[in-house]
Amino acid sequence: EVQLVESGGDLVQPGGSLRLSCAASGFTFSSYAMSWVRQAPGKGLEWVSAISLGGGSSYYADSVKGRFTISRDNSKNMLYLHVNSLRAEDTAVYYCAKHPRGYYDSSGYYCDYWGQGTLVTVSS
Amino acid sequence: DIQLTQSPSFLSASVGDRVTITCRASQGISSYLAWYQQKPGKAPKLLIYAASTLQSGVPSRFSGSGSGTEFTLTISSLQPEDFATYYCQQPYTFGQGTKLEIK
Repeated sequence: EVQLVESGGDLVQPGGSLRLSCAASGFTFSSYAMSWVRQAPGKGLEWVSAISLGGGSSYYADSVKGRFTISRDNSKNMLYLHVNSLRAEDTAVYYCAKHPRGYYDSSGYYCDYWGQGTLVTVSS
Repeated sequence: DIQLTQSPSFLSASVGDRVTITCRASQGISSYLAWYQQKPGKAPKLLIYAASTLQSGVPSRFSGSGSGTEFTLTISSLQPEDFATYYCQQPYTFGQGTKLEIK
């Protein structure tokens, strides 16, 4: 059974930093691209970032480019999102999601499994 | 950037109804469109990908169609568990969502 378990969400002041983690199990983690998708309270879904199976390619939404960094450790079956220079508008539940292919491309852009999310609150 | 616009944003329907949700892309996206269902407090669930391919385990009352700039998600006979919010997605972008409520 595929399982994705996020952690690391917290209350942080504007300008602060966090590292979000996602522990994957039940599938061959190193064979699939992964993404982070967020959802602000009461709002819709926003794709944040994606990373290819080996970590060699990464992609970011314009809203987080230069502030967030996605990474993975295939030896530990872990996905990470380093979030810096946090703003109030970054407040959201952050979901870890698996893609059906190794690359984030036209055939593998959708997410077939999702974690339950971790809440990041940015407030003074 | 390609924008996705869903209509309607809110939909009220009864158990047994046939409902259709539309997703329009600001540019042609071939068949690169997925649909998700999300219930309150839960993660999204993949329903359809490549515009019309049903994800394994999803009931056959859900169907998708379209290509280019206009796509539809149809639920043929609403069940109580189908009342939720639905999102379309293309690479990098989600639609704003359609909340399906019980009439």
